[in-house]
Amino acid sequence: NAGVTQTPKFQVLKTGQSMTLQCAQDMNHEYMSWYRQDPGMGLRLIHYSVGAGITDQGEVPNGYNVSRSTTEDFPLRLLSAAPSQTSVYFCASRDRQGNNYGYTFGSGTRLTVV
Amino acid sequence: EDQVTQSPEALRLQEGESSSLNCSYTVSGLRGLFWYRQDPGKGPEFLFTLYSAGEEKEKERLKATLTKKESFLHITAPKPEDSATYLCAVYNNNDMRFGAGTRLTVKP
Repeated sequence: NAGVTQTPKFQVLKTGQSMTLQCAQDMNHEYMSWYRQDPGMGLRLIHYSVGAGITDQGEVPNGYNVSRSTTEDFPLRLLSAAPSQTSVYFCASRDRQGNNYGYTFGSGTRLTVV
Repeated sequence: EDQVTQSPEALRLQEGESSSLNCSYTVSGLRGLFWYRQDPGKGPEFLFTLYSAGEEKEKERLKATLTKKESFLHITAPKPEDSATYLCAVYNNNDMRFGAGTRLTVKP
C-alpha cells in the first residue's frame, strides 16, 4: 500500500497565484484532514472531511478550499497565495473506527510564497 | 478552548540516559490522547493512543502514561536512533489538536 500520497513535495508561488495541493490515500479511510506545520506552533487543522461529499472547517481555514468527491482524494486549494501561507502542509487520513491507530500522514508539501 | 502544551521544547540526552517528555492538556470530553514521532522532512508517525487515566502503553524503549491532566512519554536507555520530534495530540469530536512538540536529540 502507498498510504497517503501528497504532490508536489516542494512548490514556490508568487503572491496572488492559486494552486492545488493533491492528496490521495489507498486505505479506504473515511476521515481525511489537512494540517499546516509552522515552527513553534505545531500542526494546525485547516479543513477536514468525515466522508465523501462532507467537509468542514478546522482551526485555520481562511484562504483555503477543499472538496471531497471521492473517498480517495482530498485536494487543498489555495485561492490567492499570501506570504503568511508559507508553511509545510500535511494531509492525513484515518479509519472511522481507527482511534487506536491515529492518523496516517503523507510526507508533506513544503510551500514558499514570495 | 482545547489546549495542548508540551515540555521541554528541546531535550538533549546521552545514549542510555533515561528521561520523560511531558504533554499537559485541557479539553472538554477527551476521546483519546495520541503520541506521534516525526523525523526531519517527514510526516508524523503514530506511536500510541491512550484513553483513560491510569492507562499505559509500551513500544520498545518508549512508554506512554496518562493522567487526567497530562501524559508522559518515558524513554528508557535511549539510542541515537530515538532522536526525533515527539508530538502529542488530543482528540475531541472531529478535531485533533496538536502540541508544538519536543525535539529530542540523543548523542552517542
